[in-house]
Amino acid sequence: GDSVTQMEGPVTLSEEAFLTINCTYTATGYPSLFWYVQYPGEGLQLLLKATKADDKGSNKGFEATYRKETTSFHLEKGSVQVSDSAVYFCALGTGRRALTFGSGTRLQVQP
Amino acid sequence: EAEVAQSPRYKITEKSQAVAFWCDPISGHATLYWYRQILGQGPELLVQFQDESVVDDSQLPKDRFSAERLKGVDSTLKIQPAELGDSAMYLCASSLNSRKPQHFGDGTRLSIL
Repeated sequence: GDSVTQMEGPVTLSEEAFLTINCTYTATGYPSLFWYVQYPGEGLQLLLKATKADDKGSNKGFEATYRKETTSFHLEKGSVQVSDSAVYFCALGTGRRALTFGSGTRLQVQP
Repeated sequence: EAEVAQSPRYKITEKSQAVAFWCDPISGHATLYWYRQILGQGPELLVQFQDESVVDDSQLPKDRFSAERLKGVDSTLKIQPAELGDSAMYLCASSLNSRKPQHFGDGTRLSIL
């Protein structure tokens, strides 16, 4: 079945550091890929998405590229801020089915 | 603030009791999802509706959980009787259709004593 694997957290960075959160997937067919962010006590917010190979999703300084050859969708940001502290979820969607999520990676950014 | 409305935000109850959660999706969204998120894990689908019809409830524990979306708009998820292992965040999401991005509510945090 479909699955998503994320790097375990927490990831602790200093402000303005470079961020990478690794995500790999297994899926039948050609999934769409997503990154969601969850702030404490809130639901999930869509951060970015990519629907086909080599697409790059971007939003608020975050980027991720759909790599079919390595089945990966790593999240990157060049300079993190304290306000980026949250839990980040990688997810895939195929056809009309609901999303399959990874287990989440907590990011803590220190001033 | 999330556009998908859920209530209550928090629910504390004792095991063996009945609990119910309510979700009002974004207006016009035909597809509605209920997910369960255990602390430290990603959300997992419980049930998916297309309009008023259930299209996937394969992971719903049907001996104790039920869900309905009678008029194809808002939805209710019920647990009876609740068990200690049901403590989790229950998230509702909606999308224009099943191929469009999902929008999540802020969830209901359930604690079973």
